[in-house]
Amino acid sequence: GDSVTQMEGPVTLSEEAFLTINCTYTATGYPSLFWYVQYPGEGLQLLLKATKADDKGSNKGFEATYRKETTSFHLEKGSVQVSDSAVYFCALTITGGGNKLTFGTGTQLKVEL
Amino acid sequence: GAGVSQSPSNKVTEKGKDVELRCDPISGHTALYWYRQSLGQGLEFLIYFQGNSAPDKSGLPSDRFSAERTGGSVSTLTIQRTQQEDSAVYLCASSLDGGNQPQHFGDGTRLSIL
Repeated sequence: GDSVTQMEGPVTLSEEAFLTINCTYTATGYPSLFWYVQYPGEGLQLLLKATKADDKGSNKGFEATYRKETTSFHLEKGSVQVSDSAVYFCALTITGGGNKLTFGTGTQLKVEL
Repeated sequence: GAGVSQSPSNKVTEKGKDVELRCDPISGHTALYWYRQSLGQGLEFLIYFQGNSAPDKSGLPSDRFSAERTGGSVSTLTIQRTQQEDSAVYLCASSLDGGNQPQHFGDGTRLSIL
């Protein structure tokens, strides 16, 4: 079946540090890939997405590139801020069949001054 | 606002009772999804609606769980004879047409079974 594996947290960084959260996937079909973010006390929000190989999704300084050859969609940000502290979820959908999301387990990020 | 609305935000009930969770999707969104977020299982898909039909119920964990959607809008997730393992945050999401459109999530209902 389809699955998403992302790096375990929590990840603790100092402000302005470089962030990478690894995500790899297994899919029976051709997936679209997503990063969702859940800030403390808030609901899930779409952060960025990519729908085909070599696409780069970007938003709020975060980027992720759809790598079909390595089945990966790693999340990166060049300089994190305290306000980026949240739980980040990598997810996929398979086109057709309603596009239900399959999520990774989530990675908690804590950014300190 | 125009987002996905879920109620109640919190629900505490005794084991064995039935509960109903409500989701009001974004107006005009034909696709509606229920997910469950729990400590042990992470985020899991439960059921997908396209209009009033549920073409994918594969994530419902047992026959104690059911859901319906009426008028192509509001959906209700019902859990009968609740068990402690049903304790979780139940999330609802909607998207424009169930295609490759982003899903917009509500804030969830936190269900606690005593």
